[in-house]
Amino acid sequence: DAGVIQSPRHEVTEMGQEVTLRCKPISGHDYLFWYRQTMMRGLELLIYFNNNVPIDDSGMPEDRFSAKMPNASFSTLKIQPSEPRDSAVYFCASSFLAEKQFFGPGTRLTVL
Amino acid sequence: DQQVKQNSPSLSVQEGRISILNCDYTNSMFDYFLWYKKYPAEGPTFLISISSIKDKNEDGRFTVFLNKSAKHLSLHIVPSQPGDSAVYFCAASVEGSQGNLIFGKGTKLSVKP
Repeated sequence: DAGVIQSPRHEVTEMGQEVTLRCKPISGHDYLFWYRQTMMRGLELLIYFNNNVPIDDSGMPEDRFSAKMPNASFSTLKIQPSEPRDSAVYFCASSFLAEKQFFGPGTRLTVL
Repeated sequence: DQQVKQNSPSLSVQEGRISILNCDYTNSMFDYFLWYKKYPAEGPTFLISISSIKDKNEDGRFTVFLNKSAKHLSLHIVPSQPGDSAVYFCAASVEGSQGNLIFGKGTKLSVKP
């Protein structure tokens, strides 16, 4: 199994631009999670889906952030417009049993 | 307000010795605990877990201990190997929360040859 796939691995953009992060979960997993990791706040859950339906988006910091899961094999996290404080590593994770999550390699986002 | 705390940002241990990583939590509703290991430029990988009905779980060189009265858990690695050098995250969840894991900020373990 290829594991959780995220793209791009690195993204550098300018403030105000739209950023789209992509995730392909492990086949057969029914939960998908988006996390953000920063030095100050550590690893924070942003949103998670169960069977493609958003269950809890209380961790999404602002309306500038949105996430979709159009099918079982693909999810996006979009930031529009991006700001320098959004710079972080964004992880996608998936699981069959909700707690034992398998993480992707992450996308390092830098907003200038 | 951190619900899961790893108070030691780093730990250095000699190869072959025991590594003990600690984690404290404040929410008494947590009933499932996990440890993840993270190498640079990779995502966290699941290492070991424990349910609140147990006080110990062992998997090879890794053992997790849970002290519910103290709201404390620890991960023991014996013997430590240089390949164990990584950041270790403690995480906790509440049954029925469907995977809403609360992570600590991690402890960087360095195992010196």
